[in-house]
Amino acid sequence: DQQVKQNSPSLSVQEGRISILNCDYTNSMFDYFLWYKKYPAEGPTFLISISSIKDKNEDGRFTVFLNKSAKHLSLHIVPSQPGDSAVYFCAAKEDSNYQLIWGAGTKLIIKP
Amino acid sequence: KAGVTQTPRYLIKTRGQQVTLSCSPISGHRSVSWYQQTPGQGLQFLFEYFSETQRNKGNFPGRFSGRQFSNSRSEMNVSTLELGDSALYLCASSSGLTSGGIYNEQFFGPGTRLTVL
Repeated sequence: DQQVKQNSPSLSVQEGRISILNCDYTNSMFDYFLWYKKYPAEGPTFLISISSIKDKNEDGRFTVFLNKSAKHLSLHIVPSQPGDSAVYFCAAKEDSNYQLIWGAGTKLIIKP
Repeated sequence: KAGVTQTPRYLIKTRGQQVTLSCSPISGHRSVSWYQQTPGQGLQFLFEYFSETQRNKGNFPGRFSGRQFSNSRSEMNVSTLELGDSALYLCASSSGLTSGGIYNEQFFGPGTRLTVL
């Protein structure tokens, strides 16, 4: 049973446009959500996070939106740059549990 | 600060053999988590060690085991290797402490690519 789902295995976006990556979850006990980015032959690196008490968090070109009623979060990248081409993972944790539950990842391809 | 290091980076083994992977966390970090990554499956949590004690465990068979040393370095062992164990094994380091509900991010190493033939 996948508690965190990223239903799009890949996404292709034109450079300069907005990239929107989606993530759905089933566990209402999740209280913290994170996005990680992964380049080939490297480990994932932390990108941005959001607590369940918020519905939006911004960091430069990256914004994460959380819709708790829909159990859905999304990562917006504006404007998209070639260096953003990578695999993006959504992850979540339950209150008082350190373990992260990960989605399968979405491969983002930025076209020049 | 030096990052998380994992050795070896690549490993080829045959079915039935065993393997030991090593992870050195960021200096000062006491938590080490291990993950298995396979195509289309995301990162599957194996276990987490904090101050030499296993604190969390995922749903993997007993063939997968680990330990942590007093210097926080961690090893993961897989016995009786199966073809399905071929994957990228990632180690993540963290301070492992939460304060007021704040989550301390995990820093990942580059991974060990294990191929079982």
